[in-house]
Amino acid sequence: GAGVSQSPSNKVTEKGKDVELRCDPISGHTALYWYRQSLGQGLEFLIYFQGNSAPDKSGLPSDRFSAERTGGSVSTLTIQRTQQEDSAVYLCASSPERVVYNEQFFGPGTRLTVL
Amino acid sequence: AQTVTQSQPEMSVQEAETVTLSCTYDTSESDYYLFWYKQPPSRQMILVIRQEAYKQQNATENRFSVNFQKAAKSFSLKISDSQLGDAAMYFCAYSGDDKIIFGKGTRLHILP
Repeated sequence: GAGVSQSPSNKVTEKGKDVELRCDPISGHTALYWYRQSLGQGLEFLIYFQGNSAPDKSGLPSDRFSAERTGGSVSTLTIQRTQQEDSAVYLCASSPERVVYNEQFFGPGTRLTVL
Repeated sequence: AQTVTQSQPEMSVQEAETVTLSCTYDTSESDYYLFWYKQPPSRQMILVIRQEAYKQQNATENRFSVNFQKAAKSFSLKISDSQLGDAAMYFCAYSGDDKIIFGKGTRLHILP
């Protein structure tokens, strides 16, 4: 079956512009995660969705970042008024549900460059 | 709060040799899982191996095995008979009731 897909694969934007990053999880996966991967850093947790529950937004670095998940499937991460420090690879992952033993299936990421 | 530490930012190993990547973590939970993920240069991360904290037996997947020392909170990954395709970033991850935490990764180079 199809894996996790993300679009666009690369995004170059100017400082101050808004960007939207899209994630299509594996069909049937109820848990969806967004991470940010900066050069030399690990995966920084941003936000997590589990089914119809309220998302865990505890990792969002500022109120410029927001995410939504429509119909329990596709998710969009929005960064408003982008800054140069937002440049990173944004990874999306999904899993059948949020239980401790489930592996996460990752997408290929979106490389964001803010000029 | 839980933490995951990978103290080796980069490592190199000769092809066909064995290499061990280190990972330590901190938690007050008693039941959790630990994972090693591999991220090849193409970026898509995949699971290498997982270990349940309650299992004393170390997990093994073909050439990949772990040395899990629960009391020491250590979870190292051993790669035997290293191959060129093993070159990647390797991330150690902790999954508990509350959250999943990743280490900063170890970049592994395979020398031909």
